[in-house]
Amino acid sequence: QQQVRQSPQSLTVWEGETAILNCSYENSAFDYFPWYQQFPGEGPALLISILSVSNKKEDGRFTIFFNKREKKLSLHIADSQPGDSATYFCAASGGNYQLIWGSGTKLIIKP
Amino acid sequence: DPKIIQKPKYLVAVTGSEKILICEQYLGHNAMYWYRQSAKKPLEFMFSYSYQKLMDNQTASSRFQPQSSKKNHLDLQITALKPDDSATYFCASSQDRGNQAPLFGEGTRLSVL
Repeated sequence: QQQVRQSPQSLTVWEGETAILNCSYENSAFDYFPWYQQFPGEGPALLISILSVSNKKEDGRFTIFFNKREKKLSLHIADSQPGDSATYFCAASGGNYQLIWGSGTKLIIKP
Repeated sequence: DPKIIQKPKYLVAVTGSEKILICEQYLGHNAMYWYRQSAKKPLEFMFSYSYQKLMDNQTASSRFQPQSSKKNHLDLQITALKPDDSATYFCASSQDRGNQAPLFGEGTRLSVL
């Protein structure tokens, strides 16, 4: 009941398109969902996060859509740029739980 | 300037030896963590500390021992090293444990020969 699942495992889109990365979870107690971006050779960096009281969170080209009933969320990257090529991790926590991490989506943006 | 300092950046060790990975954070955070990342497991939570006390331990092996000598330090001692321990080890911290996204260091890349 603690798992966080991400799909697809890898995704390739053309520059300028919208990339959609999916995440689902099982524990209904989870109420905080950060997304991290990781470039090769670096540590993960917080990109954007959402609380379960919201169904949408935007930050520039990055938008999280959240569906509490279905326990699903997605990260949309609009107008994808080659510099967005990275691995993206979805994570979840609730109350005093430590963060539970998904297995990541490797995103490649083709110019 | 990096706010979470991990030392060394690269480390090569022989099987059976012991190494200590260093982590210091200068953010005034109360919670610190260790994660491991390898080709086999994308990002694996290992330990969490809050106010220098162990809160979570997801590491089955006792060969991995975190050590917190100061509030802003959380080192990781690894004994009897095995080739399977080869991975990048990330230290992270957050203001408090709970619904907070930790900030990560740049990692220590460990290779065990």
